[in-house]
Amino acid sequence: QKEVEQNSGPLSVPEGAIASLNCTYSDRGSQSFFWYRQYSGKSPELIMSIYSNGDKEDGRFTAQLNKASQYVSLLIRDSQPSDSATYLCAVGPYGNKLVFGAGTILRVKS
Amino acid sequence: NAGVTQTPKFQVLKTGQSMTLQCAQDMNHNSMYWYRQDPGMGLRLIYYSASEGTTDKGEVPNGYNVSRLNKREFSLRLESAAPSQTSVYFCASSEKQGTDSPLHFGNGTRLTVT
Repeated sequence: QKEVEQNSGPLSVPEGAIASLNCTYSDRGSQSFFWYRQYSGKSPELIMSIYSNGDKEDGRFTAQLNKASQYVSLLIRDSQPSDSATYLCAVGPYGNKLVFGAGTILRVKS
Repeated sequence: NAGVTQTPKFQVLKTGQSMTLQCAQDMNHNSMYWYRQDPGMGLRLIYYSASEGTTDKGEVPNGYNVSRLNKREFSLRLESAAPSQTSVYFCASSEKQGTDSPLHFGNGTRLTVT
C-alpha cells in the first residue's frame, strides 16, 4: 500500500459545480495534511493545510479531515476553468518528512 | 520578493556528465529540500537540510549529492548523470524542519539526460 494515495483522474466537472478530490493515507499517526495545486509546467503552490478532524474553509475551498478513516478531501465550490490543474495531497510526518500523493488531474469544463 | 529561485530552468546532459542545480531562498527559512517529480509518481524527496550545516537523505538519494552552502543556498549535484535522472527537479524551503511547516517551491529545473 502506498503511503499516500490519490485517484489520478482526470476528474471532469462542469463550470459552477462542486469538485471533490480525495486522498487516503496509511499512517494513523499522521498529523499534518496539505493540499497543493500545480498548473501544467509550474511548481506546486499551497492552497490548504489542515491538522484537526473536521472541516476547514477558505473561500471556495474546503478541506475535510477524517483521521479515523484516514482520508482527507478537498472540495472546490463554484468550480472555474482556472481551477483546472493537478491537485497534490501531502501528509506527514513519515519519519519527519512529508509524503506526496501522485496527484489528481482536475478539468473544469466551461 | 523572489521566494525560492532555481537555476537553470532547463538542462540537457549526456550520460556521464556532471552538473549542479542551484537553489536560493530569501525568506530566511531554516529548512530546504530537493524533490524530483516524475509522471505518475508525484514528488519524491531526494535530500533535505533541516538547518544550516546539516543534510540528510530522503527517499531517492542515490546518484545525488547536496551542499547547504549557507542559510540561503542549497545545491544539488549529479556527479555522473544517467537517463533515469531525467526528471523535473524542485527545490523547496520551509520556515522550520518538520511537517507542520508548509513548503514553498521554486519554479523547477527540467533535466533531460540522453
